Amino acid sequence: AQRVTQPEKLLSVFKGAPVELKCNYSYSGSPELFWYVQYSRQRLQLLLRHISRESIKGFTADLNKGETSFHLKKPFAQEEDSAMYYCAFFGNEKLTFGTGTRLTIIP
Amino acid sequence: SAVISQKPSRDICQRGTSLTIQCQVDSQVTMMFWYRQQPGQSLTLIATANQGSEATYESGFVIDKFPISRPNLTFSTLTVSNMSPEDSSIYLCSGGQGNYGYTFGSGTRLTVV
Repeated sequence: AQRVTQPEKLLSVFKGAPVELKCNYSYSGSPELFWYVQYSRQRLQLLLRHISRESIKGFTADLNKGETSFHLKKPFAQEEDSAMYYCAFFGNEKLTFGTGTRLTIIP
Repeated sequence: SAVISQKPSRDICQRGTSLTIQCQVDSQVTMMFWYRQQPGQSLTLIATANQGSEATYESGFVIDKFPISRPNLTFSTLTVSNMSPEDSSIYLCSGGQGNYGYTFGSGTRLTVV
């Protein structure tokens, strides 16, 4: 069965420090992976798609098939990055979410 | 990417009644999903709704309790039937296709009293 794991429920990082939110998946086929962000009182937003290999708001994520990981990274955290982050996986015709990581940036 | 309008945004309902949640997409999307999200928790998939076929329900969710319609590629509804306080939650719809990504409605906050 497909599964997405986000091992950290909470993560606090000082402003200006690097950020890494971990995501691991289990799936036998070719995965389609995404990162979503939910800011306070806002709807869930798509942040990154693995297929596009883009950088959004300074965040990047690289698919590592050997380690079955799709970690989200940003070199210098900003206060506005405080939010809930979800790793999501599309496979077997359904979109499955990890348990989420609440990122808090300490000023 | 698609924009999804979801309504109602919130409702307070009596137990035993039903509520239908609607999602309208501004473009055609192949797949739509319905989720439930308890405050502070992740999203639990209820079902996948594809046009022209029966919805596919996840374990723990049944059609009699959560009937879904998908009459075309831009619209879907989820009904929460015979509600009890345990159904109080945020319900979300999502639509998209393939690896373009999936966008979400703003959610329906349901309180059953």
